[in-house]
Amino acid sequence: DSGVTQTPKHLITATGQRVTLRCSPRSGDLSVYWYQQSLDQGLQFLIHYYNGEERAKGNILERFSAQQFPDLHSELNLSSLELGDSALYFCASSVGTGSIGANVLTFGAGSRLTVL
Amino acid sequence: DQQVKQNSPSLSVQEGRISILNCDYTNSMFDYFLWYKKYPAEGPTFLISISSIKDKNEDGRFTVFLNKSAKHLSLHIVPSQPGDSAVYFCAASSPNSGNTPLVFGKGTRLSVIA
Repeated sequence: DSGVTQTPKHLITATGQRVTLRCSPRSGDLSVYWYQQSLDQGLQFLIHYYNGEERAKGNILERFSAQQFPDLHSELNLSSLELGDSALYFCASSVGTGSIGANVLTFGAGSRLTVL
Repeated sequence: DQQVKQNSPSLSVQEGRISILNCDYTNSMFDYFLWYKKYPAEGPTFLISISSIKDKNEDGRFTVFLNKSAKHLSLHIVPSQPGDSAVYFCAASSPNSGNTPLVFGKGTRLSVIA
């Protein structure tokens, strides 16, 4: 158990629908990152939050949004889902930001999204 | 534009032999490099890292080598064990350049055959 909790583990939904993925970071970690892993692709960075504030955005679609709450958990909202959104979505956390230690991310087990 | 490349999707090695996983990067601003290991149905777990001020870092059976001039790093596992069978991701960042996230390669699937 890495200490990073992601729910749900599996999710099957239809095109056009909206889903929310949830992440609780490791105790004491202030940074939360979201990554997407599609078939045969590496981990693609989506977005980074630090202590409730958005710090960096990657290849995140406009249909996707995220936030980090005061208790530091984070949610990734995916809307108007398309077949191509089927992927593993990983959340990761780290102690902070801007330091070497911040780069050692601890990952959750992922949420597997299937869009039919 | 893939900034971190792992050109070998898979690698098979006999138990007890050396496994060498390779990684190339294009962004000269990267100055911190990490390897992650991923088992099925689990998230990636941190394995070993190296800063650009070093050319080698060792942790037990795992050694990472960095060749900055070639923008190349490699992970050596000696001796390889069946439990090492997993997908290995190379990642890079530039922490001294600000708030940049880790950039990952596509991974190399290592199979260690008993």
